Amino acid sequence: TQLLEQSPQFLSIQEGENLTVYCNSSSVFSSLQWYRQEPGEGPVLLVTVVTGGEVKKLKRLTFQFGDARKDSSLHITAAQPGDTGLYLCAGGKAAGNKLTFGGGTRVLVKP
Amino acid sequence: DAGVIQSPRHEVTEMGQEVTLRCKPISGHNSLFWYRQTMMRGLELLIYFNNNVPIDDSGMPEDRFSAKMPNASFSTLKIQPSEPRDSAVYFCASSLTSGTQYFGPGTRLTVL
Repeated sequence: TQLLEQSPQFLSIQEGENLTVYCNSSSVFSSLQWYRQEPGEGPVLLVTVVTGGEVKKLKRLTFQFGDARKDSSLHITAAQPGDTGLYLCAGGKAAGNKLTFGGGTRVLVKP
Repeated sequence: DAGVIQSPRHEVTEMGQEVTLRCKPISGHNSLFWYRQTMMRGLELLIYFNNNVPIDDSGMPEDRFSAKMPNASFSTLKIQPSEPRDSAVYFCASSLTSGTQYFGPGTRLTVL
């Protein structure tokens, strides 16, 4: 059973379109991280959000942490083929640095 | 700067054989994590060490799996005996305490 549920599991869009990936949980996390993983490589951290309601922007990517710190979203504006990859959310608890990962959303941006 | 180094990158073995995966964390990092990734179960934490001491091994599937960290620059994950259901990509990650985790490139294990 995944403590963090990601949706959708797979997303295929055309270059230039927008997309949103969701990460939901019934648990409260002290921090929420988003990673991107490309084939044959390990996940790479994109952003960490720690405050309920926090919004962070990274170029065309916008990350939001829910007010109750149970959910998060990743929005990509004007997606490009280079955005293709597996997007993973991961929740952290206050004690220690153990992370719980969601199942991932596989994004394909077609040129 | 060298990132997390894992070896081998690919391993194909037969059921019943012993498999040893190796990891060299980023120099200066004091936390090390072993993960397993499959299509069915996603990315799962198997065990993590802090200052070479195992802190949480609740994700280790069963007694066939063992992990060691004899010093700050080396860790192993051993499976003995291996089974086909152990086929997966195994990642090692390292970090400073409560810091960003940096993942290695993974070892793709296939057990026939």
